[in-house]
Amino acid sequence: DQQVKQNSPSLSVQEGRISILNCDYTNSMFDYFLWYKKYPAEGPTFLISISSIKDKNEDGRFTVFLNKSAKHLSLHIVPSQPGDSAVYFCAASEGIGKLIFGTGTRLQVFP
Amino acid sequence: DTAVSQTPKYLVTQMGNDKSIKCEQNLGHDTMYWYKQDSKKFLKIMFSYNNKELIINETVPNRFSPKSPDKAHLNLHINSLELGDSAVYFCASSPYTGGGEQFFGPGTRLTVL
Repeated sequence: DQQVKQNSPSLSVQEGRISILNCDYTNSMFDYFLWYKKYPAEGPTFLISISSIKDKNEDGRFTVFLNKSAKHLSLHIVPSQPGDSAVYFCAASEGIGKLIFGTGTRLQVFP
Repeated sequence: DTAVSQTPKYLVTQMGNDKSIKCEQNLGHDTMYWYKQDSKKFLKIMFSYNNKELIINETVPNRFSPKSPDKAHLNLHINSLELGDSAVYFCASSPYTGGGEQFFGPGTRLTVL
């Protein structure tokens, strides 16, 4: 039973445009959400997070939006850069430090 | 000055063997974790320790045993290795238990032949 889902396995975006990565969850007890970026043969790297009491968090080119009623979050990257090409995982936590990860979306940013 | 390190990075072994993966963090964090990423790329938590105390123990075969000699180290011992244990194992740490960012090591790719 996959509690965190990323329904798009891949996304291709032109450099300079906006990348939007989506994530859905089923457990309404999740209170913290995170996005991680992963390059091949490396560990996931933390990008940005959001608490369930907020609906938006911004850090430079990265913005995460949370829609609790829809149990949906998204990561916006603008402008997209070739170095952003990686696999992006969303994750959710319900307070004990146990992160539940989605299956990842491979983002490719082309010139 | 690596924050979370794991050794070895690659481990190839025969079925039935016993092996260990070591993890160390120099971030001063209180909580450490082990995750497994299987062939389908699902990343799932296995264990977490806070100040050497077991906090999370997911449904993992008891052939897997974590050991935390101090709060900067969390090692993973695996007995009687099986083909299905082949995966990438990630260690992570966080400042405290209860949510928040976790910082991951580079992973150990285990291949059981």
